[in-house]
Amino acid sequence: AQTVTQSQPEMSVQEAETVTLSCTYDTSESDYYLFWYKQPPSRQMILVIRQEAYKQQNATENRFSVNFQKAAKSFSLKISDSQLGDAAMYFCAYTEETSGSRLTFGEGTQLTVNP
Amino acid sequence: GAVVSQHPSRVICKSGTSVKIECRSLDFQATTMFWYRQFPKQSLMLMATSNEGSKATYEQGVEKDKFLINHASLTLSTLTVTSAHPEDSSFYICSARDDGGTTDTQYFGPGTRLTVL
Repeated sequence: AQTVTQSQPEMSVQEAETVTLSCTYDTSESDYYLFWYKQPPSRQMILVIRQEAYKQQNATENRFSVNFQKAAKSFSLKISDSQLGDAAMYFCAYTEETSGSRLTFGEGTQLTVNP
Repeated sequence: GAVVSQHPSRVICKSGTSVKIECRSLDFQATTMFWYRQFPKQSLMLMATSNEGSKATYEQGVEKDKFLINHASLTLSTLTVTSAHPEDSSFYICSARDDGGTTDTQYFGPGTRLTVL
């Protein structure tokens, strides 16, 4: 079974600084998708960034970028120029088409942004 | 963007009663929707996959007679917690996959907080 591991239960960063959240996963598939979701105190899940495994280029969305290392099964999220609004729980997630697009989530990393 | 709504946002009920939670895709059609449960400070746990016009697929350990799912249209799925008990108190979140979008991306509703007294 696929598993997703986030080894950092909590992280903190100073406003305007850069922080990296770690995620590793286990799969025997070669074609799959990886995501980072943000869950602020409102508890609304918000898609931050999406990566297709067959693409070597790392995905980027404004201040958010990933470091996707397929061989190492690693998918870290880098947040640049951190803002107070970035404070949230961040979940790494995995899916593949053969599973009917069911998402497997990591345990989450609580990010605190200090002013 | 793709928007998913849930109703109600909060519900408090007495033990033994049934509670229905609605999940709607507002601006897209969704043949497939998903229901999750989340305990405080924990991750999302997939309960079941809801498919329009067919029976839901439940994850291992989830009682299908306890958590009834009906996906009667391409924009609406409902989760009914039958004979609710305090241990069913939790945050329930639905998500929907856009039939016209990429097959891998899910859009989430805002969640429903259920409290069973």
